[in-house]
Amino acid sequence: AQSVTQLGSHVSVSEGALVLLRCNYSSSVPPYLFWYVQYPNQGLQLLLKYTTGATLVKGINGFEAEFKKSETSFHLTKPSAHMSDAAEYFCAVSHGSGNTGKLIFGQGTTLQVKP
Amino acid sequence: DGGITQSPKYLFRKEGQNVTLSCEQNLNHDAMYWYRQDPGQGLRLIYYSQIVNDFQKGDIAEGYSVSREKKESFPLTVTSAQKNPTAFYLCASRDRDNEQFFGPGTRLTVL
Repeated sequence: AQSVTQLGSHVSVSEGALVLLRCNYSSSVPPYLFWYVQYPNQGLQLLLKYTTGATLVKGINGFEAEFKKSETSFHLTKPSAHMSDAAEYFCAVSHGSGNTGKLIFGQGTTLQVKP
Repeated sequence: DGGITQSPKYLFRKEGQNVTLSCEQNLNHDAMYWYRQDPGQGLRLIYYSQIVNDFQKGDIAEGYSVSREKKESFPLTVTSAQKNPTAFYLCASRDRDNEQFFGPGTRLTVL
């Protein structure tokens, strides 16, 4: 069975500091991996995804993530945090193409950005 | 503009009532999903549909029902059998690249 673990339910950084949100997954087949962001009382917006190919994936708003198969990780980073990055972030995994497309989500990490 | 709409944004239910949450998409996606979100638990899959007139239970289907009579629509009914329905409900549809697009959500509160 697939599962996702996000280490740290709350992360606090200063504006301009590095953002690192951790995600580890388990999957018996090559996974598709996703990071979503959610602002209060809104739906989820895709930040970036890994399906195949290059393991370093660049997304919107300056975020990027690296797929490391040996570590079963897909950590999200941003070199310099902005106040507008304060939100909840979800890592998710699904099987590859040709399947039901069901997403398994981590429990989420709330990012706080201090001025 | 293409996208997913959910209505209402806020919904209040009395004990013992059934309520239906609307989800519509104009993205021409075959697959649609309903998730429930509770604080600190991430999103959990309630039901999903890969094609019109077909749907499957997700991980927490008890107390919920769905229909998929049209490609564009995937309504969710929260029945009186759902003992703890207060939550934020999110609908999504999936494209051919396996990306899910989410609606703005409906917040359901039991009075």
